[in-house]
Amino acid sequence: GAGVSQSPRYKVAKRGQDVALRCDPISGHVSLFWYQQALGQGPEFLTYFQNEAQLDKSGLPSDRFFAERPEGSVSTLKIQRTQQEDSAVYLCASSPLWGTNTEAFFGQGTRLTVV
Amino acid sequence: RKEVEQDPGPFNVPEGATVAFNCTYSNSASQSFFWYRQDCRKEPKLLMSVYSSGNEDGRFTAQLNRASQYISLLIRDSKLSDSATYLCVVISNTGNQFYFGTGTSLTVIP
Repeated sequence: GAGVSQSPRYKVAKRGQDVALRCDPISGHVSLFWYQQALGQGPEFLTYFQNEAQLDKSGLPSDRFFAERPEGSVSTLKIQRTQQEDSAVYLCASSPLWGTNTEAFFGQGTRLTVV
Repeated sequence: RKEVEQDPGPFNVPEGATVAFNCTYSNSASQSFFWYRQDCRKEPKLLMSVYSSGNEDGRFTAQLNRASQYISLLIRDSKLSDSATYLCVVISNTGNQFYFGTGTSLTVIP
C-alpha cells in the first residue's frame, strides 16, 4: 500500500479482554515503531523493530504488552488483560532504514477504549 | 526527566500573527530533530527537519541550538489552516527512538 496501515481503526474491549492491533508498514521499510498516545499527550515510545528483531522494548508499560514482527514486515501489538488505563490511540510508524535523519511515517492509529 | 520538554500551550493567535514554539531536549548526544504536525484525530506528519544551520520553508523557520539543547519553530503570517498541534521530535544517538514532546496546540483565530 501507499502508506502505513493499521487495523482495526477502533476497538472497544471489556476490561480483562485480550486485544491484538495490527500494523502494515510501508513496503521495504526496515524500521517499525509503536507508540501510545493518550488524550492531550504526545506519542510515547513503546517498542522498536529493525526488520524482525525487536531491538528496544523499553517503553512497554508492563508485561501485559507484547509486540512481534516475525517476518520483518507486518507487526502485531498484543495487550493481555486490558485495563482502563490502556485506553489510548496506538500509533505505528515505519521508516526506510535504521539510523538518523530518516523520517518516520505514521499510520492513522488504533483507538482502543477499555470499558 | 523527560527526554523532550515542550510547552503544551494552547496558543491562540489572530490570523497574520507570528508565533514561535520552543522545545528542549535532555540528551546532548541526540542527533536528529524534526517538527511534526498533528491535526485533531489524525496521525502525526512531518512538517520539517531541523538543522544546526537553521532551515526555512515558506512561512516556517526551524532552528537548532545545540549549546542550549533546544529547537524552535517560527510560523509567520499565520493562516487558519495552521491550527494544529505541533510536536517536536528528537532522535536518540542510537537512532532507535523517536522521542516526542507533548505537543503545542495552536489555534489561529479569524
